[in-house]
Amino acid sequence: NAGVMQNPRHLVRRRGQEARLRCSPMKGHSHVYWYRQLPEEGLKFMVYLQKENIIDESGMPKERFSAEFPKEGPSILRIQQVVRGDSAAYFCASSRISGTSGIYNEQFFGPGTRLTVL
Amino acid sequence: AQKVTQAQTEISVVEKEDVTLDCVYETRDTTYYLFWYKQPPSGELVFLIRRNSFDEQNEISGRYSWNFQKSTSSFNFTITASQVVDSAVYFCALSGQAGTALIFGKGTTLSVSS
Repeated sequence: NAGVMQNPRHLVRRRGQEARLRCSPMKGHSHVYWYRQLPEEGLKFMVYLQKENIIDESGMPKERFSAEFPKEGPSILRIQQVVRGDSAAYFCASSRISGTSGIYNEQFFGPGTRLTVL
Repeated sequence: AQKVTQAQTEISVVEKEDVTLDCVYETRDTTYYLFWYKQPPSGELVFLIRRNSFDEQNEISGRYSWNFQKSTSSFNFTITASQVVDSAVYFCALSGQAGTALIFGKGTTLSVSS
């Protein structure tokens, strides 16, 4: 069973360009979380998505950032008009159905995408 | 609000020393989950342990052990007889009800020299 896949692993963009980060969850997982790790900091939650729905985007910057998780295909985190401060490692995690039954469903992390903005 | 504090930014030890990484958390939830992750120099996140708030039993896995104390809101991690391969950044994290986001501490960088 393949793990969470993220691509590209490394992405270089110039200021003002768009960055698209992809995350393919583990097989059978329908929930995706995006986290950002800025230099010298821990990971911070950005957004939580189900298929075709954004469940919680409380950690997303208000401008330039968007995320989707379509019915078919990977989840996409899009950053428009990137700035140097967007340089970070972006991690995706996936889990099975939410734990409404009280059963905790583990979040499995991908290897991350390292974004460098020149 | 939920919060995780890892007061130790960096720790340096010599091989075979024991080392304890501290983690203090804040939450108003009665049910919550605590985690430790390891991030080696290669950058990926390696899951180490998950603990439920209603299970205060300490856990040992090889050279690793975890001490969960609700009375002090702490979930400390001890590596016994450290090795160079233990050098990494270690993150403590907290989650509320299942399905919610993880709240991470800022991490502790552990350097083990030979």
